[in-house]
Amino acid sequence: AQSVAQPEDQVNVAEGNPLTVKCTYSVSGNPYLFWYVQYPNRGLQFLLKYITGDNLVKGSYGFEAEFNKSQTSFHLKKPSALVSDSALYFCAVRDAGGSYIPTFGRGTSLIVHP
Amino acid sequence: DAGVIQSPRHEVTEMGQEVTLRCKPISGHNSLFWYRQTMMRGLELLIYFNNNVPIDDSGMPEDRFSAKMPNASFSTLKIQPSEPRDSAVYFCASSFFEGGAETQYFGPGTRLLVL
Repeated sequence: AQSVAQPEDQVNVAEGNPLTVKCTYSVSGNPYLFWYVQYPNRGLQFLLKYITGDNLVKGSYGFEAEFNKSQTSFHLKKPSALVSDSALYFCAVRDAGGSYIPTFGRGTSLIVHP
Repeated sequence: DAGVIQSPRHEVTEMGQEVTLRCKPISGHNSLFWYRQTMMRGLELLIYFNNNVPIDDSGMPEDRFSAKMPNASFSTLKIQPSEPRDSAVYFCASSFFEGGAETQYFGPGTRLLVL
């Protein structure tokens, strides 16, 4: 079985400050991990994914995520937040040896204050 | 590429009426997903097609919901009869399945309101 948790419903950060959106996962085998972003009244957009290799994955719009196998985490980060980063962020996981369908988290609302 | 296309973008209907949502996936993609998003339940997978064949429909709420994919470029999600609790945003997503970490591409969604 595979599952993913986003422990924070909402994250607030001031513009210019670093941001972190947390994600933890559970899989039987090796994970494929994803981050998607949803802006208001839009569909989800792909940000980045981890397949294998380097634990630090760089993605769109200056975002990056760090895969930590021992902590089963895949937190999304950005060094300096922008007001335009305010959106709903989804983490997703797929067990590489299991279901072909990824499981999405409930989403975390990121609010960046000017 | 135009991306995943969904129609209509908005639908308002009365309880008991039939609702049909449409999706055109990205050309060349062989997997298609239907999702439902609500504040209460978040993002829920309804059904997954691969090569036009329904592979997993365990998320379809009940017999009122049905989905078809007659060819690689078109899919429908039908609700008959509709109920107020079906009000949600319905998303279609497509990907090219290779057995790896495929990226899903989402459409803009259909916002459904059942009165």
